[in-house]
Amino acid sequence: GNSVTQMEGPVTLSEEAFLTINCTYTATGYPSLFWYVQYPGEGLQLLLKATKADDKGSNKGFEATYRKETTSFHLEKGSVQVSDSAVYFCALSDLVGNEKLTFGTGTRLTIIP
Amino acid sequence: NAGVMQNPRHLVRRRGQEARLRCSPMKGHSHVYWYRQLPEEGLKFMVYLQKENIIDESGMPKERFSAEFPKEGPSILRIQQVVRGDSAAYFCASSPGAVSGELFFGEGSRLTVL
Repeated sequence: GNSVTQMEGPVTLSEEAFLTINCTYTATGYPSLFWYVQYPGEGLQLLLKATKADDKGSNKGFEATYRKETTSFHLEKGSVQVSDSAVYFCALSDLVGNEKLTFGTGTRLTIIP
Repeated sequence: NAGVMQNPRHLVRRRGQEARLRCSPMKGHSHVYWYRQLPEEGLKFMVYLQKENIIDESGMPKERFSAEFPKEGPSILRIQQVVRGDSAAYFCASSPGAVSGELFFGEGSRLTVL
């Protein structure tokens, strides 16, 4: 079956630091890959996605590249802000007839001024 | 343009009682998904519904849990005879039906079983 493994948290960084949150996956076929973000007290929001190998998703300064050879989709940001503090979830979907997502366990990120 | 609306946001039940969680999808969305988030864990898929039909319930516990999405009104996730292990955040998500690659999530309903 499908599975997603992401970096254990929590992660604490200083403002303007470089961020990497690792995500690897196991899936049959060719899944689409997603990063969702959950701000305190809110539901999940789509941050970025990539639908095929070598695609790069980007949004709000965050990037992730779909690497089929390493089955990875690591999230990066060059300079984090306090407002980026949230829980980040990596997810995949095989998009076969529906959009059922398989999520990783989430990584809590805290940015300190 | 209202997003996915879930209520109640917080629900407290004693063991053995029933819990009903409601979800109104975004306007124009006819597909609803329910997920459960246990403390310090990721979201786990429970059930996928379209209007009046359950499409995929592979993540639903075999007993005590049921879901519906009637022709009129919100989708409802029902948990009968709740136990402490049912304490979790329950998230609803909707999509327009096309395989768009994006689910729109509600803010969740947090169930606490005493």
